[in-house]
Amino acid sequence: EADIYQTPRYLVIGTGKKITLECSQTMGHDKMYWYQQDPGMELHLIHYSYGVNSTEKGDLSSESTVSRIRTEHFPLTLESARPSHTSQYLCASNPNPPKANEQFFGPGTRLTVL
Amino acid sequence: AQSVTQPDIHITVSEGASLELRCNYSYGATPYLFWYVQSPGQGLQLLLKYFSGDTLVQGIKGFEAEFKRSQSSFNLRKPSVHWSDAAEYFCAVGTNTDKLIFGTGTRLQVFP
Repeated sequence: EADIYQTPRYLVIGTGKKITLECSQTMGHDKMYWYQQDPGMELHLIHYSYGVNSTEKGDLSSESTVSRIRTEHFPLTLESARPSHTSQYLCASNPNPPKANEQFFGPGTRLTVL
Repeated sequence: AQSVTQPDIHITVSEGASLELRCNYSYGATPYLFWYVQSPGQGLQLLLKYFSGDTLVQGIKGFEAEFKRSQSSFNLRKPSVHWSDAAEYFCAVGTNTDKLIFGTGTRLQVFP
């Protein structure tokens, strides 16, 4: 299994602040993903990356942005947080070579924007 | 379009009872199917997966699932539930673009 780390685990922040949610994995996986999950709801893919300098938007439109400068690191940024961004954000990665969509997840970041 | 349906939003069982969580999928090709479990405030842990071959797959924590192509189903089962199994369970289908499509989840409560 992959070791995927997300920080912070919990974040409460005011409207208008810039935030970056960190995600890193130690297995050298090329494919990484960001999901947004509202309480009691399914996961929605908001960003993914197939490797360094590769980023794509997912199925759910999001005001967040991502970058992939290093293989192990896939941070998500919100330039100006709003209450509608309150949610849980989950990061995942897919092993090398890819195993048919198999993804391993980090513990998540629960974001609350006041 | 690909989709996953988990008809049961919430299930309550007694400890020691058997469990079956339902999952139906819609996908044009041979699907890759997954069950994940999520404890409160945690990420998702992979319970089991089906890629091909034997339609009855074994997973961790005593769970198993059976792929039935004719019914487009991939139901999760456990013969005897433990209190620690209380969590949210998600079924997912893998698409040909390396993405996962998730169901809305089933919340399992276990009473002593």
